[in-house]
Amino acid sequence: TQLLEQSPQFLSIQEGENLTVYCNSSSVFSSLQWYRQEPGEGPVLLVTVVTGGEVKKLKRLTFQFGDARKDSSLHITAAQPGDTGLYLCAGDRYGGSQGNLIFGKGTKLSVKP
Amino acid sequence: KAGVTQTPRYLIKTRGQQVTLSCSPISGHRSVSWYQQTPGQGLQFLFEYFSETQRNKGNFPGRFSGRQFSNSRSEMNVSTLELGDSALYLCASSLRSRRGGYNEQFFGPGTRLTVL
Repeated sequence: TQLLEQSPQFLSIQEGENLTVYCNSSSVFSSLQWYRQEPGEGPVLLVTVVTGGEVKKLKRLTFQFGDARKDSSLHITAAQPGDTGLYLCAGDRYGGSQGNLIFGKGTKLSVKP
Repeated sequence: KAGVTQTPRYLIKTRGQQVTLSCSPISGHRSVSWYQQTPGQGLQFLFEYFSETQRNKGNFPGRFSGRQFSNSRSEMNVSTLELGDSALYLCASSLRSRRGGYNEQFFGPGTRLTVL
């Protein structure tokens, strides 16, 4: 059983379209991180959300943490080819007191020019 | 500040051999976590080292082991390699303190291990 479910698994869109990626769980997380990974490289941290209901914006990317801290979403406005990559959500259940994050399997995004 | 470095970047081994991977964390980071990434399972937690002690361990067999040195550098070892061990092995460092805080992890580029 996957603790963090991400959807969709694959997304192929045209440049300029909007998209939303979801990360859902039945467990409560003290914080949740979003990462982007390009082929052959390690994941790069995009944002950390901590408070239930929190919304964070990073240029065209908007991240939201659910009120109950069990789910999160990533919305990209006017996607560009440079947004292509694997988007991973990762949850911390222990408030930083333990060193492991629980990762979703990722959403593979392809943005065509 | 230099990022997390991992060596080697690529490795090809045969079944039954053993392998050692190395990770140098970001300066000042004392926690190093190791993950295995495969297309089918995604990222799975192997273990975490903090102050030279293994603090947490994932659900992997005893063939997977690691250690951390006094300068926070870490190594992981896989003995008696199996075909299923082919994966990208990622190391992540963080500022984790005993008091908690946000567990933001910073990843290295990974070591791509292929077992033939």
